[in-house]
Amino acid sequence: DADVTQTPRNRITKTGKRIMLECSQTKGHDRMYWYRQDPGLGLRLIYYSFDVKDINKGEISDGYSVSRQAQAKFSLSLESAIPNQTALYFCATSDTSGDFDNEQFFGPGTRLTVL
Amino acid sequence: QKEVEQNSGPLSVPEGAIASLNCTYSDRGSQSFFWYRQYSGKSPELIMFIYSNGDKEDGRFTAQLNKASQYVSLLIRDSQPSDSATYLCAVGEEYGNKLVFGAGTILRVKS
Repeated sequence: DADVTQTPRNRITKTGKRIMLECSQTKGHDRMYWYRQDPGLGLRLIYYSFDVKDINKGEISDGYSVSRQAQAKFSLSLESAIPNQTALYFCATSDTSGDFDNEQFFGPGTRLTVL
Repeated sequence: QKEVEQNSGPLSVPEGAIASLNCTYSDRGSQSFFWYRQYSGKSPELIMFIYSNGDKEDGRFTAQLNKASQYVSLLIRDSQPSDSATYLCAVGEEYGNKLVFGAGTILRVKS
């Protein structure tokens, strides 16, 4: 089945370390997104990309960077991790249908803990 | 900052009852609206979308949209314990290509 995968699924790291979270998809979608989810705050958009050459900041991009290596791969980096970046991170993809109803498909999530 | 508001719950309903979940949004120009279901520890999955005023039905689920009042609701008929989850309301920006999520409502269906 076409899918969205994230690696690693769980990561514990220390303050100041550089961390990369990876997302790959076999859906053939051109649009990819990174969200973080915190209890009581829902999903918040970090970065999004509508194609390989298009990268956009989301609501909470400070402290994060991204790389769209190919249509199927979108990586999120924390250059110097801090404890308040402890969260559940989701990658999502969507298709370019031209309609309003562009469903976003989510990966399984990466649980990141920064000590 | 565009906002999407939901009551965090938990909303508890008995098995077989109708569960009613509500969501309000701040951007009057929003045109597309989504309901995602998220089981504990899992990723969100889309259950309904709507972009026209009125009701949209899909099986036991009905989405209702009132753009004048800026609210969207989700009704779940004949609620089952397997419906117990967090329900996330999302509002589309940029023709639905970006989503702004509410914090979610926890639903508990008791057998």
